[in-house]
Amino acid sequence: GQSLEQPSEVTAVEGAIVQINCTYQTSGFYGLSWYQQHDGGAPTFLSYNALDGLEETGRFSSFLSRSDSYGYLLLQELQMKDSASYFCAVPSGGFKTIFGAGTRLFVKA
Amino acid sequence: DVKVTQSSRYLVKRTGEKVFLECVQDMDHENMFWYRQDPGLGLRLIYFSYDVKMKEKGDIPEGYSVSREKKERFSLILESASTNQTSMYLCASSFGQGINSPLHFGNGTRLTVT
Repeated sequence: GQSLEQPSEVTAVEGAIVQINCTYQTSGFYGLSWYQQHDGGAPTFLSYNALDGLEETGRFSSFLSRSDSYGYLLLQELQMKDSASYFCAVPSGGFKTIFGAGTRLFVKA
Repeated sequence: DVKVTQSSRYLVKRTGEKVFLECVQDMDHENMFWYRQDPGLGLRLIYFSYDVKMKEKGDIPEGYSVSREKKERFSLILESASTNQTSMYLCASSFGQGINSPLHFGNGTRLTVT
């Protein structure tokens, strides 16, 4: 089977740094993606890591360790608009993508 | 920008009704998907299609069927709606056969079955 585990909620203060972790169990691993979803909105793609290491895109970075079956999303200089749900996801053979249950991020002033 | 449009934002249907959820994408994407989203369960794949008239079961296909007669349109059908199908339904599309091709989602249809 395939599964992804991520915390259900994280709270942080505006301007801080927050890390959202994801551990996965898959039969065959091709990479780890992250999606953001604001309340009432559509999930939107943030990043994809196929290889170990850190990928940076502005205030957001994503990290992968294939040997540990682990990745994280790092959000820096948190803003109120970053309050959203964040999903890790893995391709699962062919065209399927499997999602974690999501982490709800609350950013406080 | 890719646009994925779902025909209804909110739907209320009665138990036993046949329900059609429609999705259209405007970027000529080969692949289209239907997910349902429930609190604490994330997004679960119902069905997907990688070409016109092709369909594949996802992880929770029971009680659903799909239709893809044209490349841009992918319909989800609930043959006989039940209360446990009350959920948010998300349509998505993606390009090509790349394993990391990102999904582009619509805004969702919140279906309530009473």
